[in-house]
Parts: sequence; structure tokens; C-alpha cells
Amino acid sequence: DTGVSQNPRHKITKRGQNVTFRCDPISEHNRLYWYRQTLGQGPEFLTYFQNEAQLEKSRLLSDRFSAERPKGSFSTLEIQRTEQGDSAMYLCATTPKYYNEQFFGPGTRLTVL
Amino acid sequence: AQRVTQPEKLLSVFKGAPVELKCNYSYSGSPELFWYVQYSRQRLQLLLRHISRESIKGFTADLNKGETSFHLKKPFAQEEDSAMYYCALMDSSYKLIFGSGTRLLVRP
Repeated sequence: DTGVSQNPRHKITKRGQNVTFRCDPISEHNRLYWYRQTLGQGPEFLTYFQNEAQLEKSRLLSDRFSAERPKGSFSTLEIQRTEQGDSAMYLCATTPKYYNEQFFGPGTRLTVL
Repeated sequence: AQRVTQPEKLLSVFKGAPVELKCNYSYSGSPELFWYVQYSRQRLQLLLRHISRESIKGFTADLNKGETSFHLKKPFAQEEDSAMYYCALMDSSYKLIFGSGTRLLVRP
């Protein structure tokens, strides 16, 4: 599969634990986005990178959330001290240069007990 | 405020009937609008974008700036069209603002 990949696909954790998700973009896609989707809603923007630079963060992204994209390739999204309200599908999307179509990964479903 | 509204959570039609999924937006600049589709157990994928003015799988959408709408239409629905449909607006920093989605159910 040459599309955007995300790991793990599912994560169940206890409240207060830290979790980390990974997104591997399509080769040479320079922009990478993270979105969060809760039941019955469309995806909501969290943050995005152009190469390794994090250019924008949503107000939804509290200080418990951090994202990185070292070397401008894969990206990680970490949530510290998880809360039940963090339960959602976390989606990654990437975009090639000079083109605005976002290609989505399958998502990581997080359940916080 | 930038916003995308999809007023219908569920749209149920019979095979062969026309379909219109509504989308209204609020945006101060010149919008770039998209329709994304998610079939069962598949990832979100682009269906069409207003700039290209294409017809994909028989679907079309016309941007109406006066009514701030971007409704998705198909003259004859097929069972394989059953899916979640999301209207989205791209803002000036290239992020997508999605509506809450409409589930289309096409009955045989």
C-alpha cells in the first residue's frame, strides 16, 4: 500500500496514561496534517507541518498534545495524561507540493477508559 | 467565522432516484470547496473539488457564491453510492474545515 499509513490502528488506554501515534506520509508529500474526529462529527483540524516545520496549531490542541515531524518525513502525535474526552479517531493527511488535495490515512482510534 | 454546514445527518433514497446532499459555507475570502466520501471500512477520499468542475462517479457540485452553497448532486443514485459524505472548505492556510457529514443510504 503506497498510501498514508497510521499506527497503531486502535489504541485502548487508561485515563492518565500517555499515548503516541505515528503517521507515515506518501513519499515526497511535504505537508502533513493531523485531524481529530469524534462520533457524529466531521474531522477537526489539530495541527499541520510543512516539511519539518509545525506551522499552525488549533486551539483544540491543549498543552497535553504535542506533535513532531523530524526530518520532514513521518510524524508523531503524543497525548500526555489522557482523558476520556480524548477518545476519538485521529486522522493524518498529507499533500504533495503545489497541489491541495489531502490524502488521508486510515486513522488511529483511541479509547480512553 | 469559517464554517461548513450539512443540515442532513441522513438521506435515504431508492435506487435510481435523484440525490442532492446540501452544503452551505461561511467564509470571508474566496473559498476552495471539496466533497470527500467515506465508504464503509475505507478511508476518507476526495470525491470532487469545485475548481476542477469534474463529474466523478456521476456526481457534480456547483459553487453558488450568492447562496454560499456547494450542493452535491447525482441524477440517478446507485446502491454503491451509500456512504458518508463530507463537504469541506480549504482556508488560507490550506487546512480543511469539514461539515458534520451526511450519511447517504441508497435502498434497492
